[in-house]
Amino acid sequence: DVKVTQSSRYLVKRTGEKVFLECVQDMDHENMFWYRQDPGLGLRLIYFSYDVKMKEKGDIPEGYSVSREKKERFSLILESASTNQTSMYLCAGSFSLAGGEQYFGPGTRLTVT
Amino acid sequence: GDSVTQMEGPVTLSEEAFLTINCTYTATGYPSLFWYVQYPGEGLQLLLKATKADDKGSNKGFEATYRKETTSFHLEKGSVQVSDSAVYFCALSDRGGTYKYIFGTGTRLKVLA
Repeated sequence: DVKVTQSSRYLVKRTGEKVFLECVQDMDHENMFWYRQDPGLGLRLIYFSYDVKMKEKGDIPEGYSVSREKKERFSLILESASTNQTSMYLCAGSFSLAGGEQYFGPGTRLTVT
Repeated sequence: GDSVTQMEGPVTLSEEAFLTINCTYTATGYPSLFWYVQYPGEGLQLLLKATKADDKGSNKGFEATYRKETTSFHLEKGSVQVSDSAVYFCALSDRGGTYKYIFGTGTRLKVLA
């Protein structure tokens, strides 16, 4: 069974902490994505990666960075967590950048206090 | 720019009722269109898709037809079940050279026994 997995389902961090969210896929996807999901706003793209060590900013990259050192792993980093980064974070992978299906992980609900 | 608009929820129906969730889009090119479903506590999963005008996507009793003349991709099901309770997202993806994947804000469906 193919999967996209995320390291934590729930996470509570304090303001100012550095936070790492990990995503691992076993589908050999070239492309991986990080979204945040907020009520009434749907999914907003933070960053995506189309190859190892390659990354592109999405619609809301401010306050975030990413790392992709291996094809199967895509990490989202909150350099200094703030309360407005409390959200559901979804990782996804896909075989094509455009026109194709995205495969999502279960999400990490992050609360910053 | 490109966008996806879907009806606000929540939508509450009795079991075996007919379901329609409206989705309209604006796009400069010829996108592929998708419906994703998110069950409680899970990530999004693809429900159905259509890649060109007049295509009908179908899965698990759900259907949607790509209508270029009305720029719509409405989701329908003839008889909903309690297990269909979830959040439904309409999305488009440009098939051009650059990445573009846009999600609607989601419509929550609640089906009562």
